[in-house]
Amino acid sequence: EDKVVQSPLSLVVHEGDTVTLNCSYEVTNFRSLLWYKQEKKAPTFLFMLTSSGIEKKSGRLSSILDKKELFSILNITATQTGDSAVYLCALAGTYKYIFGTGTRLKVLA
Amino acid sequence: GAGVSQSPSNKVTEKGKDVELRCDPISGHTALYWYRQSLGQGLEFLIYFQGNSAPDKSGLPSDRFSAERTGGSVSTLTIQRTQQEDSAVYLCASSVDARVYEQYFGPGTRLTVT
Repeated sequence: EDKVVQSPLSLVVHEGDTVTLNCSYEVTNFRSLLWYKQEKKAPTFLFMLTSSGIEKKSGRLSSILDKKELFSILNITATQTGDSAVYLCALAGTYKYIFGTGTRLKVLA
Repeated sequence: GAGVSQSPSNKVTEKGKDVELRCDPISGHTALYWYRQSLGQGLEFLIYFQGNSAPDKSGLPSDRFSAERTGGSVSTLTIQRTQQEDSAVYLCASSVDARVYEQYFGPGTRLTVT
């Protein structure tokens, strides 16, 4: 059965810390891996990763996919309280999207 | 421009009643997706539409769930004979088309079955 596992489940850090969120998967025939940030209800798109080993960056956030070892990481440097959210990883297949349960990040001032 | 909208934002219904949830995607987006998120859980994919067609309905939890999309725009998710385990936030998302995976999510409908 296809599975997406995120770790840690939750994380509490202080402003300025760097965090690494993990997404490992057992999914066949997926086309892309996506990261979303969910603060209240609606997730907002962060990254789409299709190729292995190519880092995507957006400000303090970066992400990379390893198709050989079947995982992706999301890095956030110099964290701010506004980074507090649930971070979701998803695998996009032909007709289906499989989401992990997310990592809840809390950044303390 | 306007984002994805959903209505109602909250719905409380009695067990056994039917409910209809509505999603208005971003104008011009041909792909539309429905998800369910139970308390403290990740998103559960339910169904996706490319235009008015749903290629795979196997994600729907039971035959009490159905979805349709008309005119390549508005979609409705119908739950018949609601059960307490149907209580969740139902999220809708749209994307330019099914080949473009950046999905824009609506604010969701919180369904509570009493």
